[in-house]
Amino acid sequence: DVKVTQSSRYLVKRTGEKVFLECVQDMDHENMFWYRQDPGLGLRLIYFSYDVKMKEKGDIPEGYSVSREKKERFSLILESASTNQTSMYLCASSRNTTIRSPGLNSNQPQHFGDGTRLSIL
Amino acid sequence: SQQGEEDPQALSIQEGENATMNCSYKTSINNLQWYRQNSGRGLVHLILIRSNEREKHSGRLRVTLDTSKKSSSLLITASRAADTASYFCATGGSRLTFGEGTQLTVNP
Repeated sequence: DVKVTQSSRYLVKRTGEKVFLECVQDMDHENMFWYRQDPGLGLRLIYFSYDVKMKEKGDIPEGYSVSREKKERFSLILESASTNQTSMYLCASSRNTTIRSPGLNSNQPQHFGDGTRLSIL
Repeated sequence: SQQGEEDPQALSIQEGENATMNCSYKTSINNLQWYRQNSGRGLVHLILIRSNEREKHSGRLRVTLDTSKKSSSLLITASRAADTASYFCATGGSRLTFGEGTQLTVNP
C-alpha cells in the first residue's frame, strides 16, 4: 500500500516564524500536492509538483512556497506565518501515467497523508 | 474550474440503513472520484468512475454517473457505525477539485 507520511500531526508556531511542513511518499509517485482544509471552504490546492524540482501554483499559493529536491519528498514552507494560515494541511501523491503531458493524467487516485493541524498564535 | 458539490451537507442514519450522497459538477469530465475522510485524518480514495461508465460497484459501495445531468451518486448499503465519516467527490485531472463533502453519521 502507498504510504504518505507527514512529519507532524500537530504543530504550534508563532506569527512571523518560518514554518516547514514535510511530506514523504514511498511509492515512487511523480505527482505530489499540498492542500489546506478549512471548515466551509473544503480542500484548496496550494501547490503541486509533477517532477523533481518542478512546481506549479495551485489556487491559493500566496504566503507559501514549496521545495521538491527529491522525488519522494515535498516540503511546504510558510515564509512568515500568519494567523490566517491556521489550518489543516494535507499532502497527497499520485502516479503520472501520461508521459507526453506530465501532471495531466486523469485516471489516478490521490493518496493522502494524515494531515498536519497547524496553529499559528 | 470543475467543482463537485455534495448534497446533503449532513446525513444521519441508523446502522443497517442505506446512505445516498449526491454530487453535482459544472463542466465536462474525464472521470469522477469519491473519497472518504475520517475525523482528523487524511482522505482515502474509494472509487473512480470514468465518463463512459454509468455505474460501478465496490463491495457495499455503488456509484452512478449521469454525464447529461452532470451528477453522480454514492450509495453505501447496509451501513455500519464505522462508515461514519465525511465523503467527498472530486473532479479534474491531476489537479482535483473537491466539493465540501457530506458528513455521514451512522448511529449504532
